[in-house]
Amino acid sequence: DSGVTQTPKHLITATGQRVTLRCSPRSGDLSVYWYQQSLDQGLQFLIQYYNGEERAKGNILERFSAQQFPDLHSELNLSSLELGDSALYFCASSVAPPTRELFFGEGSRLTVL
Amino acid sequence: SQKIEQNSEALNIQEGKTATLTCNYTNYSPAYLQWYRQDPGRGPVFLLLIRENEKEKRKERLKVTFDTTLKQSLFHITASQPADSATYLCALNSNYQLIWGAGTKLIIKP
Repeated sequence: DSGVTQTPKHLITATGQRVTLRCSPRSGDLSVYWYQQSLDQGLQFLIQYYNGEERAKGNILERFSAQQFPDLHSELNLSSLELGDSALYFCASSVAPPTRELFFGEGSRLTVL
Repeated sequence: SQKIEQNSEALNIQEGKTATLTCNYTNYSPAYLQWYRQDPGRGPVFLLLIRENEKEKRKERLKVTFDTTLKQSLFHITASQPADSATYLCALNSNYQLIWGAGTKLIIKP
């Protein structure tokens, strides 16, 4: 158990819909990262937060947004969903911006039909 | 251009042998490099971190080397077991971000 909690574990929805994925980092970790992993693909970095502030942005679509709340949990919002958004979405946390190892949650598997 | 590359083809190793995975990078100057293990449908799990001033790091049956001249890290699993079968990812730091390789799938045959 990494200590990172992601909900929901599975989500099935239709094209055009909007979903919210939630992440609770490990106790004491200030940094949260979101990654997308499509079937048999590598990890695609989406966005990083540190103590509530956006720290880095990767290949995140304009239809996607995220935030980190004062209690350090984070949410990833995916809107106007397309079939190609079907993927595993991982959240990871670390003590600080990545000078230390990342701890990953078990992921949220999104299926868009 | 900047690249981080791992063997794209699966690596098949006989149980008991040493598995060696490669991570090469170009146009980066990482202060450290990390290795993770990922099982199908699961999140990556941190294994080892090696800094630029360290040549080698060990943890149980795992060993990582880091050659900043060759711009390469090697990841070794000695006395490999079928349970070691997984995808192994390397990641290096650049501008406060982690840059990930695509991973190498390791298959240990009994």
